[in-house]
Amino acid sequence: IAGITQAPTSQILAAGRRMTLRCTQDMRHNAMYWYRQDLGLGLRLIHYSNTAGTTGKGEVPDGYSVSRANTDDFPLTLASAVPSQTSVYFCASSDSPSLHTGELFFGEGSRLTVL
Amino acid sequence: GQNIDQPTEMTATEGAIVQINCTYQTSGFNGLFWYQQHAGEAPTFLSYNVLDGLEEKGRFSSFLSRSKGYSYLLLKELQMKDSASYLCARMDSNYQLIWGAGTKLIIKP
Repeated sequence: IAGITQAPTSQILAAGRRMTLRCTQDMRHNAMYWYRQDLGLGLRLIHYSNTAGTTGKGEVPDGYSVSRANTDDFPLTLASAVPSQTSVYFCASSDSPSLHTGELFFGEGSRLTVL
Repeated sequence: GQNIDQPTEMTATEGAIVQINCTYQTSGFNGLFWYQQHAGEAPTFLSYNVLDGLEEKGRFSSFLSRSKGYSYLLLKELQMKDSASYLCARMDSNYQLIWGAGTKLIIKP
């Protein structure tokens, strides 16, 4: 099925551990994004990539890093996890960074708990 | 979210009509989006308004007034499956989406 795949879907992690959330899309979209969603708050952008080989910081980038080696993959790494990074993480993509078609496609989310 | 305001929760009756309002900061505006998110699932796209007026798409319509920094999502002939959170987001001058916290819509029989 075409779309965006995230892994893992759920993970419990000890504080201080390193963790990489994987995201792969098969729609050949140029732009990809990582958001976190916390209760009572809107989706907040962590990092984004407008095209392969480039990345940018979003609203809440601290403690996270990304890479975009090719069009399809956009992994998010937590170098040393802290409890405040407990959240649901969504990867998303769009065919254009300017969203001229209006639609952002989301993965199913990765629920991360840091103890 | 940053300067995006929408009600936290609304309740409506199956078969009725409900309007979910969203107000936003007008500076650096590049478009207004509505997404639907069922509990435990990913957001899915509903509508995109960049010009003033009403956009109708089946049972759902979205309205925009750029001068007032105001949008609403209108849901007609409500069905139980419409129980979900509805997320309002504006696109800023850098083409990034700024999201509201969402409105949880509860549909009662």
